[in-house]
Amino acid sequence: EPEVTQTPSHQVTQMGQEVILRCVPISNHLYFYWYRQILGQKVEFLVSFYNNEISEKSEIFDDQFSVERPDGSNFTLKIRSTKLEDSAMYFCASLQSGTGKEQYFGPGTRLTVT
Amino acid sequence: AQKVTQAQTEISVVEKEDVTLDCVYETRDTTYYLFWYKQPPSGELVFLIRRNSFDEQNEISGRYSWNFQKSTSSFNFTITASQVVDSAVYFCALSGNTGNQFYFGTGTSLTVIP
Repeated sequence: EPEVTQTPSHQVTQMGQEVILRCVPISNHLYFYWYRQILGQKVEFLVSFYNNEISEKSEIFDDQFSVERPDGSNFTLKIRSTKLEDSAMYFCASLQSGTGKEQYFGPGTRLTVT
Repeated sequence: AQKVTQAQTEISVVEKEDVTLDCVYETRDTTYYLFWYKQPPSGELVFLIRRNSFDEQNEISGRYSWNFQKSTSSFNFTITASQVVDSAVYFCALSGNTGNQFYFGTGTSLTVIP
């Protein structure tokens, strides 16, 4: 069964460093998302991406964040200058098409900023 | 504004007991979609069910059942004859008719004691 994959599973970085989190969505899916989950808290929407551009973003998704689909398979989230409060689990999700359909989530990348 | 409330933060039951997880939502959209996801200790988010706002039929899938009531803005999830493998955090989520971002509740941590 097709699945969303994410790398790395765990990333440790120092405050102020740039990180890139990678995702490979399901191949025939058209919509891509990033969510984050601070430890013990709810899953929060960051950004959605469709047709090579951002379609929605939350207040969390400030200028420190960017997303890219550099080729036909990868979808990346870059954090330019990490802060301690960026420590969280980051989930990538993809959706084939249509409104109201289930999103398929990857296993997550745990980001630890020290 | 879209909002999902899961008032139960933690529930413990003894194996084989039935358990109901509550979800109450708020939305101004006339068409919306509700979801349940399971997050086992391994951390991934596993899709369980989707419901459209215009389909109030309850659903049963094996030991799982869902009760959707628009009149009370609730979408509750019942596990019958719980098993240890049901131990996880369960998230209820909502998406509206514009955009596909999910609004998650804070989750209910279910522990099934053998």
